[in-house]
Amino acid sequence: ETGVTQSPTHLIKTRGQQVTLRCSSQSGHNTVSWYQQALGQGPQFIFQYYREEENGRGNFPPRFSGLQFPNYSSELNVNALELDDSALYLCASSFPRGGSETQYFGPGTRLLVL
Amino acid sequence: QKEVEQDPGPLSVPEGAIVSLNCTYSNSAFQYFMWYRQYSRKGPELLMYTYSSGNKEDGRFTAQVDKSSKYISLFIRDSQPSDSATYLCAILSIQGAQKLVFGQGTRLTINP
Repeated sequence: ETGVTQSPTHLIKTRGQQVTLRCSSQSGHNTVSWYQQALGQGPQFIFQYYREEENGRGNFPPRFSGLQFPNYSSELNVNALELDDSALYLCASSFPRGGSETQYFGPGTRLLVL
Repeated sequence: QKEVEQDPGPLSVPEGAIVSLNCTYSNSAFQYFMWYRQYSRKGPELLMYTYSSGNKEDGRFTAQVDKSSKYISLFIRDSQPSDSATYLCAILSIQGAQKLVFGQGTRLTINP
């Protein structure tokens, strides 16, 4: 186990609704990255938060937004849900050490949009 | 062209076989290479992490990087049914945020 936790584990929403997913990072890690994994695909980078600031973003529209809190936990918010948003959402925590960083993943939240 | 290409398989081999999993990448600036293992309905688990060209061994697993060919491999010796999972290669991109760029994943089944 990595020590990264996510909630909820599963979620069913309808098109147009909004959803909030939560992530608690591994102890001592100040960076959280979010990824979307569609069925049969590798994870795709959504964005990263470092010390409560967005530190980079992938090719996702603005309706995907996030937050990081002082305890380094994080939220991913998705507005105006679309069917294609159905996926496994993964968060990964890390502690940059000036070179590479190893990212440790949580178990994911499986979102189904109907 | 995708930044990281990986044959999705599926790949099915008998127990005890040597398994070879491969990826290619397009950006020669990439320096850090990972292999993750993902069991069904779980998050990816870091298996191997290499920085330079050459081989890195950890038990039954060997990661190989050839930067001149932009080719990375994972070898599994004496494969076990518990190795059945999806294997994801990933490159750490450090242009801007340090983000992982994943291949599609190869689904591997080890048959007893």
